[in-house]
Amino acid sequence: GAVVSQHPSWVICKSGTSVKIECRSLDFQATTMFWYRQFPKQSLMLMATSNEGSKATYEQGVEKDKFLINHASLTLSTLTVTSAHPEDSSFYICSARDPRQGREQYFGPGTRLTVT
Amino acid sequence: GQNIDQPTEMTATEGAIVQINCTYQTSGFNGLFWYQQHAGEAPTFLSYNVLDGLEEKGRFSSFLSRSKGYSYLLLKELQMKDSASYLCAALDSNYQLIWGAGTKLIIKP
Repeated sequence: GAVVSQHPSWVICKSGTSVKIECRSLDFQATTMFWYRQFPKQSLMLMATSNEGSKATYEQGVEKDKFLINHASLTLSTLTVTSAHPEDSSFYICSARDPRQGREQYFGPGTRLTVT
Repeated sequence: GQNIDQPTEMTATEGAIVQINCTYQTSGFNGLFWYQQHAGEAPTFLSYNVLDGLEEKGRFSSFLSRSKGYSYLLLKELQMKDSASYLCAALDSNYQLIWGAGTKLIIKP
């Protein structure tokens, strides 16, 4: 099956700093990747849809200047949380779609961000 | 608006059968997914239905009725490791996944 990796698995940073999270499709080319955020005991919340070679599409209420998304290649998308604050502490999960496998989204293992 | 409804929490006994229901209202429909998510982990794919009927895959089965906007996930011979949240998600006309809030399944010995 299709494999998606994320790095780092967890990160602790100080308030005001920026953090970059990488999402890679390891054995397929993903034209579309998705970034989700999940707070404890809540469901996934789609933040943005990332298309290779074009600007990401952000969901309503998600600040595009705060959550910078870059999808520079067919196997890599990055999410940068700029000027992080404690309320940004969350579980960030990416997923990717393999065009050969239909509509299923394959999820990365997630990145737990803690902002102190 | 688009909406997915599923129970917040269910409890079942090891070895038993449990059915988790999901109703959906979406702008267009291109299929329904079930994912399993253990605490602190990312979701993993369980099933995808786009046609009416029952799809069986080992201990897990998923059913879809497009006319009723209804799906269920059936888990048989429950094991303790099945304790997890089960997420229902519908694919709308723009091929965007609309997620339910998830059903936390608690398995008791």
